[in-house]
Amino acid sequence: AQTVTQSQPEMSVQEAETVTLSCTYDTSESDYYLFWYKQPPSRQMILVIRQEAYKQQNATENRFSVNFQKAAKSFSLKISDSQLGDAAMYFCACEVNSGYALNFGKGTSLLVTP
Amino acid sequence: GAGVSQSPSNKVTEKGKDVELRCDPISGHTALYWYRQSLGQGLEFLIYFQGNSAPDKSGLPSDRFSAERTGGSVSTLTIQRTQQEDSAVYLCASSQEGANYGYTFGSGTRLTVV
Repeated sequence: AQTVTQSQPEMSVQEAETVTLSCTYDTSESDYYLFWYKQPPSRQMILVIRQEAYKQQNATENRFSVNFQKAAKSFSLKISDSQLGDAAMYFCACEVNSGYALNFGKGTSLLVTP
Repeated sequence: GAGVSQSPSNKVTEKGKDVELRCDPISGHTALYWYRQSLGQGLEFLIYFQGNSAPDKSGLPSDRFSAERTGGSVSTLTIQRTQQEDSAVYLCASSQEGANYGYTFGSGTRLTVV
């Protein structure tokens, strides 16, 4: 079974600081996609960043970047210059079964303090 | 539509009653997904539609759960004889083709069985 593990149930960061959220995954595929989603209290899941496994370059979206280590099956999310609006649940996800669904981790709750 | 629309936003039902949850995906999105999010848990995959057909129903927790999609658009998730353990947020998502580019999620339906 393909699994996604987020080992940090909760994280805290001060405004303007940098925080890294961890994620490891297990897949037998050689080519696949990885995602980070943000879920604020409104419940709507928002796509933060996407990584294609065959690309060695780490994906970046403004203040959000990933550290993708394919051999280690690690996919961490770095949030720079944290803002109060970044407070949310963050879910890591891996594409499964040749692209028809995503498998999600249990999430990390990020608290941003002033 | 501009986004994925789910209704109702919240539903409280008595144990043993049947409920129907509705999802209206983004126009033109051929793939539609249902997930369940229980308190403190990640997202549990329920079912996937490609057009009107569901290639994989193995995520449905029991035979009390069923889903259909008509006209390649609106989908309904039905839970018969609801139980307290069915209480969760039910999230719907859609994508243009498979999961490679991630999903667009709705805001979910919070189901409470009392």
